[in-house]
Amino acid sequence: GQSLEQPSEVTAVEGAIVQINCTYQTSGFYGLSWYQQHDGGAPTFLSYNALDGLEETGRFSSFLSRSDSYGYLLLQELQMKDSASYFCAVRERSDNTNAGKSTFGDGTTLTVKP
Amino acid sequence: NAGVTQTPKFQVLKTGQSMTLQCAQDMNHEYMSWYRQDPGMGLRLIHYSVGAGITDQGEVPNGYNVSRSTTEDFPLRLLSAAPSQTSVYFCATSRGSSTGELFFGEGSRLTVL
Repeated sequence: GQSLEQPSEVTAVEGAIVQINCTYQTSGFYGLSWYQQHDGGAPTFLSYNALDGLEETGRFSSFLSRSDSYGYLLLQELQMKDSASYFCAVRERSDNTNAGKSTFGDGTTLTVKP
Repeated sequence: NAGVTQTPKFQVLKTGQSMTLQCAQDMNHEYMSWYRQDPGMGLRLIHYSVGAGITDQGEVPNGYNVSRSTTEDFPLRLLSAAPSQTSVYFCATSRGSSTGELFFGEGSRLTVL
C-alpha cells in the first residue's frame, strides 16, 4: 500500500517563496510527481523526480530524497494565479502487472495574498 | 489533437441506474486510468490499464467495471449507481506505465440521487 502526507493549507504573499512538503510510505516506486489543480479544473502536471535531487522548471522546483521518504515542491516569485491545490503523487509498482499506478496525496491548498 | 476526452461532462442519475463514462485518447498512450475526486480530497484510483486487454484494480474498484478493447478507449461502467458514487471522475493517461506525467481529461461530474 501507499500513503502520502502533505499539509492541508499554506498561505503566502505575492512575490514570496513557498515550500510544500510531501512524505510517503512505499515499498517501491518509480518516482514522485507534482500536480496543480485550480478550482473546478483538472489536475495538470508540474514536475517529476525519478532520481534523488532537485528538478527545476521555471519558477517551480521539486526535490526528492528516497532515503528520507520525502519530497517537496518549491514555488518562487509567487503570483496570484498560483493560488490552487497542489498534489504529490507516487508512481508505485503494482504487485500484479509491474505497472506504475499513481497514488495521490490529499492535496495542499495554496492561497497567495497580495 | 484532442488529448484526453471525457464524456459526458455532467450527469445526474437515480439510485440503481447504470451508466458508462467514456474516455478516449489520441496520444497513443499505453497507460490509462480512472480516478474519483470527492470535495476537498485527493484523487483515488478506481481502475487502470497498461494496454488493450489488460486491466487491474486500484484503491476503490467496488461498484465499477472497466474494459480496454482498444488503445484509444477506456470506458468506466457504474453497474448500479449509489449516492456514495457522487463525485468528479477523471480519466488520466500516460505514455508508459512508469513515466512521471499523467495527462488528465476535463472530468465528468456525476450526481446520484
